[in-house]
Amino acid sequence: EDQVTQSPEALRLQEGESSSLNCSYTVSGLRGLFWYRQDPGKGPEFLFTLYSAGEEKEKERLKATLTKKESFLHITAPKPEDSATYLCAVRGDGGATNKLIFGTGTLLAVQP
Amino acid sequence: DTGVSQNPRHKITKRGQNVTFRCDPISEHNRLYWYRQTLGQGPEFLTYFQNEAQLEKSRLLSDRFSAERPKGSFSTLEIQRTEQGDSAMYLCASSSTSMYGYTFGSGTRLTVV
Repeated sequence: EDQVTQSPEALRLQEGESSSLNCSYTVSGLRGLFWYRQDPGKGPEFLFTLYSAGEEKEKERLKATLTKKESFLHITAPKPEDSATYLCAVRGDGGATNKLIFGTGTLLAVQP
Repeated sequence: DTGVSQNPRHKITKRGQNVTFRCDPISEHNRLYWYRQTLGQGPEFLTYFQNEAQLEKSRLLSDRFSAERPKGSFSTLEIQRTEQGDSAMYLCASSSTSMYGYTFGSGTRLTVV
């Protein structure tokens, strides 16, 4: 069964203090690993899709990387507006749909 | 096009009542998904439509839940005889066949009292 585990559950950073969030996954035939950002009371907002080990993508202060077993979301010099829950999800090749299996997220708080 | 639209944003209902939520996807997207999210958890898959056909339903979707997508446009999710355990955020998302990621709406927050 496809599974996603995110760590840590919560992370508190000072503004400018860089760090990384981890997403470990088990999936039969990875067809994409996805990162989303979710603000309180809102739906997830798409950030990145990674398809193969070694792939990297960047957007502003965020950089996502992928290996065969895990993905990292690196946050460089974060600002308070980066505070949110970051969700990781995978799509496998089992079944006829492209549903995503989500982890429970990492709640990031960036203090000024 | 302003993205995926969900209505209502909030719904409070008494236990045992029926509720219906609506989702209007991005117009060119033919795939539509319903997810449920409880506090501190990631979204859990409920059901998936391609055009008007419902192709997959999660075992989380009990007999009290039904979803439709007439004419392959908007979709509705109905919950009959609501229970307190149904309290959650119900999220709708859509995608096209040419992309694997999808766009979520802002969700409908259901509270069953």
